[in-house]
Amino acid sequence: QSVLTQPPSVSGAPGQRVTVSCTGSTSNIGKGYDVHWYQQLPGTAPKLLIYGNNNRPSGVPDRFSVSKSFTSASLAITGLQAEDEADYYCQSYDVGLRRWVFGGGTRLTVL
Amino acid sequence: EVQLVESGGGLVQPGGSLRLSCVASGFTFSNFWMSWVRQAPGKGLEWVANIKQDGYEKYYADSVKGRFTISRNNAENALYLQMDSLRAEDTAVYYCARRIAGSATGGNFDNWGQGTLVTVSS
Repeated sequence: QSVLTQPPSVSGAPGQRVTVSCTGSTSNIGKGYDVHWYQQLPGTAPKLLIYGNNNRPSGVPDRFSVSKSFTSASLAITGLQAEDEADYYCQSYDVGLRRWVFGGGTRLTVL
Repeated sequence: EVQLVESGGGLVQPGGSLRLSCVASGFTFSNFWMSWVRQAPGKGLEWVANIKQDGYEKYYADSVKGRFTISRNNAENALYLQMDSLRAEDTAVYYCARRIAGSATGGNFDNWGQGTLVTVSS
């Protein structure tokens, strides 16, 4: 069981908006540690997608955005495109476990 | 352009050892924390270990503590993971990643290598 809980899968049609939730606890997200998001396209290494408070590395479109509320965070993808089909992971730090933690991952399917 | 290239993976028997390497380029290696993150086949990401810029501060996941050792050679822009007493559950793709953080806790992994597969099986 992952310390950060994500839905196993989400789906949406091209052009739609989808969200991926990431639920933590008072030992990680609720403690104030930033949540970061990674995109892993099929057969490739993870790539940092968004870090902290809606900071996007160069090249990441603003169709990707995040929000945070106490012990949870959410990744939103608008204007869904076929190339967005991938696994998405949230990541934070857990002060109780004293380790860096990932969500279990969410597979996005573009219908 | 930041590049991280891992090597050293392969098939090893349970109880055996393996040493992974990661060669970095495109940035000042000695200025950054570095990490290893692994991914078992068909599973999610699991943080394994971090090492500070000077190599003296290290952190390990409980699942590998006492068996794995992270180290670095700043003169050669290289990161290592010595893996001993390997178990079947250590089978995974191991990624080298650059860690961005202002302190020993928190932070993210902003650049990743392509990964190297370690298979522990008899």
